[in-house]
Amino acid sequence: GENVEQHPSTLSVQEGDSAVIKCTYSDSASNYFPWYKQELGKGPQLIIDIRSNVGEKKDQRIAVTLNKTAKHFSLHITETQPEDSAVYFCAPGETSYDKVIFGPGTSLSVIP
Amino acid sequence: DTGVSQDPRHKITKRGQNVTFRCDPISEHNRLYWYRQTLGQGPEFLTYFQNEAQLEKSRLLSDRFSAERPKGSFSTLEIQRTEQGDSAMYLCASSRDLEAQYFGPGTRLTVT
Repeated sequence: GENVEQHPSTLSVQEGDSAVIKCTYSDSASNYFPWYKQELGKGPQLIIDIRSNVGEKKDQRIAVTLNKTAKHFSLHITETQPEDSAVYFCAPGETSYDKVIFGPGTSLSVIP
Repeated sequence: DTGVSQDPRHKITKRGQNVTFRCDPISEHNRLYWYRQTLGQGPEFLTYFQNEAQLEKSRLLSDRFSAERPKGSFSTLEIQRTEQGDSAMYLCASSRDLEAQYFGPGTRLTVT
């Protein structure tokens, strides 16, 4: 089965700084690489995803980069805001519609 | 499109009682998933429906758990003879074929 790790497990940044979370995985069959954001008391929400034929994708302040050879992908958040404070999960898988296998999560705190 | 809804949002029950949760997916989403999330962990897959057919069940889904989706729309998850270890957030997600999943807000179960 897939072995997924996230680093760091907790991250604290000053408002306006950048945050980077790395996800490593083991299954070479993975072709879909999403990131979910979960705020307190809410379900996870897909914030950005990338497929294996693309190396980078950007959506306003968030971006995802993929290194399929090294089996890792990263979430980049620029100009962080307090509302970015949440737990972030990576969930690498073969497709976007299979059951989601979540990583262990990274708790991000943005200090105003 | 109002998103995935779940009812109730919170449930407190005594050990040994039965509980039932409901999930209403986004309309026209034919796939529906149930996950369980314990404190400090990522969600774990429980079961999945395509229309009314239950196509996959996790080993986490003991025989005290049963899920139904009788008309291919809403789904129910029942837990019989609840145990303290069942205390968790139960999340529902839905999707169309070949598309990513959208999660509901979850039902938080506390077994006393």
